[in-house]
Amino acid sequence: AQKITQTQPGMFVQEKEAVTLDCTYDTSDPSYGLFWYKQPSSGEMIFLIYQGSYDQQNATEGRYSLNFQKARKSANLVISASQLGDSAMYFCAMRPYYGQNFVFGPGTRLSVLP
Amino acid sequence: NAGVTQTPKFRVLKTGQSMTLLCAQDMNHEYMYWYRQDPGMGLRLIHYSVGEGTTAKGEVPDGYNVSRLKKQNFLLGLESAAPSQTSVYFCASSSSRSTDTQYFGPGTRLTVL
Repeated sequence: AQKITQTQPGMFVQEKEAVTLDCTYDTSDPSYGLFWYKQPSSGEMIFLIYQGSYDQQNATEGRYSLNFQKARKSANLVISASQLGDSAMYFCAMRPYYGQNFVFGPGTRLSVLP
Repeated sequence: NAGVTQTPKFRVLKTGQSMTLLCAQDMNHEYMYWYRQDPGMGLRLIHYSVGEGTTAKGEVPDGYNVSRLKKQNFLLGLESAAPSQTSVYFCASSSSRSTDTQYFGPGTRLTVL
């Protein structure tokens, strides 16, 4: 069975600073993808970034980067230069390469302080 | 480009009533999913479909039924609503490519009294 753990229920960060949101996962699948989503207070789910288990480089998308440590089974999201609009729930998710289902973590609520 | 749409956006039911939530996608995706989101529990998979005419149970299927008669539509039914089914329901779709993300609908907020 697959499982995603996000140990930080809530995080605070000062505007313009960087923040790391933790994600660890457990899977027996040899190949998988890791995804991060943002859910602002308006409720929609927004895809942020993807990392494949065989990707050699850590994924980056603008101010988002993924600190992927395969041996430790962690896929932490790094947000650089935080903005007030980054305040939201953030979910880590995993999908095996040869499966169709996504497994989500419980989420981390990020609050950016002015 | 509509993406994934859900109908209705809000609904209040009394215990024992039935209802159907409609999800539609215009991206020609093979896979479609229904999740429920409860505080502190993230998204939990109710049912999913890997193609027209096929459905399968997810993590929390009890009390729900689904149908996928057309590729673009995925219906979630509650035959006899219970207060424990008060939640926000999200529909999502994805292609069969393992590297592709899911695309989510805007959600339906359901309250069962």
